[in-house]
Amino acid sequence: NAGVTQTPKFQVLKTGQSMTLQCAQDMNHEYMSWYRQDPGMGLRLIHYSVGAGITDQGEVPNGYNVSRSTTEDFPLRLLSAAPSQTSVYFCASSRQGGGEKLFFGSGTQLSVL
Amino acid sequence: GQNIDQPTEMTATEGAIVQINCTYQTSGFNGLFWYQQHAGEAPTFLSYNVLDGLEEKGRFSSFLSRSKGYSYLLLKELQMKDSASYLCAVRDKGNNRLAFGKGNQVVVIP
Repeated sequence: NAGVTQTPKFQVLKTGQSMTLQCAQDMNHEYMSWYRQDPGMGLRLIHYSVGAGITDQGEVPNGYNVSRSTTEDFPLRLLSAAPSQTSVYFCASSRQGGGEKLFFGSGTQLSVL
Repeated sequence: GQNIDQPTEMTATEGAIVQINCTYQTSGFNGLFWYQQHAGEAPTFLSYNVLDGLEEKGRFSSFLSRSKGYSYLLLKELQMKDSASYLCAVRDKGNNRLAFGKGNQVVVIP
């Protein structure tokens, strides 16, 4: 049982480049989300989705796009990378419902030069 | 919106008890979670509270007071492997979003 699979684990970009962080889950979870984690800032929500075809903005959405064409996949796109987007990114999923815990992917360490 | 506050770091001795506090403000409360995160790893679920009171799970217990906007995580019989960051997270009733505090780093020393 793979759980939440996130790729790549590490990535270095130049300013202005674009890329997509992949996230897939095999637990049939309706809810999926992307967080970034910076030192001293905690986990901050970028975008989230409550089901296929539905996405919404979180706390820090600027510079990122998402789509949810299937229940399993929730890719995060950086349109034009900036040094301020250097961070560790986590994808997480859960079933719907207030008491449902989040399952996290292993994270992506992204550096933008 | 949500505002979650946690102290940043504490050191404790192996075998001791440590309490990690979390205060929050939210427009619609729908549950509070505690996660553990070891350095360089993803967060993992520890506990969930939605009603007032204490939830006990082995060496870890979590308490919630909704009227005070307050929770704590109690770690008993500390072990070296408990050295980690402990994250408090609150779920919003309106949009189901989970907002995290900045985390509390616990360092366990022999």
